[in-house]
Amino acid sequence: DGGITQSPKYLFRKEGQNVTLSCEQNLNHDAMYWYRQDPGQGLRLIYYSQIVNDFQKGDIAEGYSVSREKKESFPLTVTSAQKNPTAFYLCASSSGKGHRAGTIVSPSSGANVLTFGAGSRLTVL
Amino acid sequence: SQQGEEDPQALSIQEGENATMNCSYKTSINNLQWYRQNSGRGLVHLILIRSNEREKHSGRLRVTLDTSKKSSSLLITASRAADTASYFCATDEIGNYGQNFVFGPGTRLSVLP
Repeated sequence: DGGITQSPKYLFRKEGQNVTLSCEQNLNHDAMYWYRQDPGQGLRLIYYSQIVNDFQKGDIAEGYSVSREKKESFPLTVTSAQKNPTAFYLCASSSGKGHRAGTIVSPSSGANVLTFGAGSRLTVL
Repeated sequence: SQQGEEDPQALSIQEGENATMNCSYKTSINNLQWYRQNSGRGLVHLILIRSNEREKHSGRLRVTLDTSKKSSSLLITASRAADTASYFCATDEIGNYGQNFVFGPGTRLSVLP
């Protein structure tokens, strides 16, 4: 079955530690996203990537880092610089295709729908 | 930036009743989508409505879009206990590097048996 796999489902971090959340998809989607969700609140965008080897900051990128070396994988590192990392983290992908021409990545066209993973809950001890 | 804003924040109804949730947004959009989230799980896509559409149906779901008022509504008819979840609207946002979805804070729906 095609889908998005996030791991681990639960993660505990000591203050000062970096942790990496895994996100893998086998949907052949070009675009991938990381969202943060706090209790009783909506989703806030951390980073997104429209194409391999390219990614853009979202609304709350400070204290986080990502890489997109492979189409299937978009890991998120929560660094020690993130002062309040306890949250539920959601990875998503969509079929939107970014087109690269030199250093320019052009936007995708059409309406795209997000497919989400089951989430990873990070708690700082 | 928080574009979609759902209303009400929480809604409690009896099984069999209809549930209506509203979403307002601030900028022009290409489409608006509704997602559902069961507690502690990922979101699941329910329905998409394009900016040139006014109403769309999918099973017991009915979505309307009023671009002049920058608002949308989601109606769930004949609700069931299994419909208990949080519902989010999401608007697209075309940036330099492609589509960026912006979510509202959601409506928590409780359907009582």
